[in-house]
Amino acid sequence: EIQLVDSGGGLVQPGGSQRLSCAASGFTFSNHWMSWVRQAPGKGLEWVASIKEDGSEKYYLDSVKDRFTVSRDNAKNSLYLQMTSLRVEDTAVYHCATGNTIGNWGQGTLVIVSS
Amino acid sequence: DIQMTQSPSSLSASVGDRVTITCRASQGIRSDLGWYQQKPGKAPKRLIYAASSLQSGVPSRFSGSGSGTEFTLTINSLQPEDFATYYCLQHNNYPRTFGQGTKVDIK
Repeated sequence: EIQLVDSGGGLVQPGGSQRLSCAASGFTFSNHWMSWVRQAPGKGLEWVASIKEDGSEKYYLDSVKDRFTVSRDNAKNSLYLQMTSLRVEDTAVYHCATGNTIGNWGQGTLVIVSS
Repeated sequence: DIQMTQSPSSLSASVGDRVTITCRASQGIRSDLGWYQQKPGKAPKRLIYAASSLQSGVPSRFSGSGSGTEFTLTINSLQPEDFATYYCLQHNNYPRTFGQGTKVDIK
């Protein structure tokens, strides 16, 4: 069974940084693109970033480009999202997901950007 | 960016009803579309991939159709557990874009 466990969320001040992690199991992690999707409170879904199996290609939502970095460690079956220069509007539940077609989802981790 | 226009934004229906939700893409996306169901406080779950293929384990009352710019999710004989919010997602191009969502509630 595919499992994705998101962690690393919390309260952070505007301009601060946060690193999210996603622990994957139940599938061959190194053979799959991975993605991050977020959902602001009471709002719809928004794709954030995707990374190729070997990390050689990465794509980002324009509003997070140059602030967020997606990475992976295939030896640890883990996906990461390093977030810097955080803004109030980045407040959301962040989910990791399998593939660049967004198949399976993690439960999400809440990031609150507030002073 | 490809805009996904989903309609209606909400609908009220009764158990046993047939429900149809539509997504229109601002440009052709072949069949590069998925449909998702989300219940309050839970992660979304994919129901349909490649516009019309049923995800393993999803009841057959869910079906998807369309290609190019117009897509439909149909729920035949709505069940109590189907009251939720539904989203479409295009994965033809980056950035990936979701529809605004359709909330299906009880009439």
